[in-house]
Amino acid sequence: DAGITQSPRYKITETGRQVTLMCHQTWSHSYMFWYRQDLGHGLRLIYYSAAADITDKGEVPDGYVVSRSKTENFPLTLESATRSQTSVYFCASSARRGAYEQYFGPGTRLTVT
Amino acid sequence: SQQGEEDPQALSIQEGENATMNCSYKTSINNLQWYRQNSGRGLVHLILIRSNEREKHSGRLRVTLDTSKKSSSLLITASRAADTASYFCATEGGYQKVTFGTGTKLQVIP
Repeated sequence: DAGITQSPRYKITETGRQVTLMCHQTWSHSYMFWYRQDLGHGLRLIYYSAAADITDKGEVPDGYVVSRSKTENFPLTLESATRSQTSVYFCASSARRGAYEQYFGPGTRLTVT
Repeated sequence: SQQGEEDPQALSIQEGENATMNCSYKTSINNLQWYRQNSGRGLVHLILIRSNEREKHSGRLRVTLDTSKKSSSLLITASRAADTASYFCATEGGYQKVTFGTGTKLQVIP
């Protein structure tokens, strides 16, 4: 299917566990982004990637790790999950950064107990 | 910190009425975008307005930008129940950095 997909859609994990959220896009967009959405904070950028093997920190990167070995995939890993990382996570892609439309995935609702 | 702040935080109107929501920002921008988010879904791009533009239309959407006041407004005319969603502004400042606001939650009552 064309577009941008995220998996899993829902995840419950325990404090201290490692969890990986997957993101896959079929447009061959150069840029990919990870956001978290929390009440009162809107969307905050965690990490972004300009191309395969090029990643950079966003506004709230602590506790997260990303990789991008292939253009179409951009996984986000929580190395040791904490309750403060309970959130809805959105992946997005864009042909370029800045004045270009971002296409968002459906989101992953993560609960850390 | 958030660049854009939407106002009001929540808005409830009757179907057929117009809905206006505002976005204020703090520093100079290159462009501003509006996105819609239906409940439980990802954001969908609506419209982009550049810093040298004052007004832009797309279907029932009208966006204005006042760079002197550092504010933008999104007008949805003849609203429909399907317009019920949260609306976010996203500003692009220096270094192509895009920052999203906290959103306006719009409810259109049939």
